[in-house]
Amino acid sequence: DIQLTQSPSFLSASVGDRVTITCRASQGISSYLAWYQQKPGKAPKLLIYAASTLQSGVPSRFSGSGSGTEFTLTISSLQPEDFATYYCQQLNSYPITFGQGTRLEIK
Amino acid sequence: EVQLVESGGGLVQPGGSLRLSCAASGFTFSSYDMHWVRQATGKGLEWVSAIGTAGDTYYPGSVKGRFTISRENAKNSLYLQMNSLRAGDTAVYYCARVGSSGYQDYWGQGTLVTVSS
Repeated sequence: DIQLTQSPSFLSASVGDRVTITCRASQGISSYLAWYQQKPGKAPKLLIYAASTLQSGVPSRFSGSGSGTEFTLTISSLQPEDFATYYCQQLNSYPITFGQGTRLEIK
Repeated sequence: EVQLVESGGGLVQPGGSLRLSCAASGFTFSSYDMHWVRQATGKGLEWVSAIGTAGDTYYPGSVKGRFTISRENAKNSLYLQMNSLRAGDTAVYYCARVGSSGYQDYWGQGTLVTVSS
């Protein structure tokens, strides 16, 4: 199985900050990576797919990059509604796997 | 509007069975792959199963042989039959649609399954 490791697991930041979350795969997954945002008690929301494609309706302050084994999610200027948990997910091969999550909290 | 509504969750004893349902609306259900994903309280997301438009199915090792995903296109419904349930299967179970991007673009609100004696 492909393991995804996110860093950091916890991130404290302020409104307006630029933040980056990293996702590393245990083997190459080309660009078959997605990023999801999840708020407490809610279902995950697709933000980025194919490593760098912004899902329709997602603000442009979100961006993704990377290929192979290293990927990043960047939020260019944090807004209050961005404080949530973020997960990466690989769809290169079954079983589909998720990273352990990065919890983004307000400083 | 795309909607996915899960049902069928509840309390079940270890070793028991449960069948989850996901009612889909707002899109041509038969044309989309569908997945189940679960989340234990306070934990991360875990993919549980997938079914293609042709009925091909996929599972992780943790549920293979115990869970069965199926679909009934005439009823716009997705199912998850869960047998030999364990405490570790306790979680909120979400159904999700795989969009044209190839990724899970719509999710239901989830249904809670609790396995306990």
